[in-house]
Amino acid sequence: GESVGLHLPTLSVQEGDNSIINCAYSNSASDYFIWYKQESGKGPQFIIDIRSNMDKRQGQRVTVLLNKTVKHLSLQIAATQPGDSAVYFCAENTQAGTALIFGKGTTLSVSS
Amino acid sequence: DGGITQSPKYLFRKEGQNVTLSCEQNLNHDAMYWYRQDPGQGLRLIYYSQIVNDFQKGDIAEGYSVSREKKESFPLTVTSAQKNPTAFYLCASGRGEETQYFGPGTRLLVL
Repeated sequence: GESVGLHLPTLSVQEGDNSIINCAYSNSASDYFIWYKQESGKGPQFIIDIRSNMDKRQGQRVTVLLNKTVKHLSLQIAATQPGDSAVYFCAENTQAGTALIFGKGTTLSVSS
Repeated sequence: DGGITQSPKYLFRKEGQNVTLSCEQNLNHDAMYWYRQDPGQGLRLIYYSQIVNDFQKGDIAEGYSVSREKKESFPLTVTSAQKNPTAFYLCASGRGEETQYFGPGTRLLVL
């Protein structure tokens, strides 16, 4: 079926490093993508989104890149901090008004 | 304070019992969603509603029921037909194709 997946289930970085979390999607009709951060025992928290008419969008310390040619999405976190440790999910919306499709998530661990 | 609230935070179900999870939002969003999350897994859609008095089944609707009588509220009932209900349940709301915002979740455990 159509689904969003992530390349790596875990990523370990040192504090201050830049982190890159990757996501591949399979539906070329998807037009809206979101990155969420989920801390243990909490609901997912919106980080940043991007529409298919863009290839890059920046937020505070985060950048999302979209490559529609290879159906790839990435989240870059600059100067990673221990508070960034969490599970990161990408999600896509393939049809307006319907629910998102989520990947399984990448667990980011930041050590001091 | 605006947002999405879910209650209770923890819920215990006895075998054969129906339980209802509450979800309320004051963000004036038309659409509301219920997801189930199992350990180490992504989110799977149970039900969603795009407008009051209307809702659609998601990928794993069997053993669950919902209602949408008010814009602000979208309760989920886990029925006795759901044989493996232990999971983290997440409610979300949004404006259709835009970002969905999540509540804090309810953890359901079986006694």
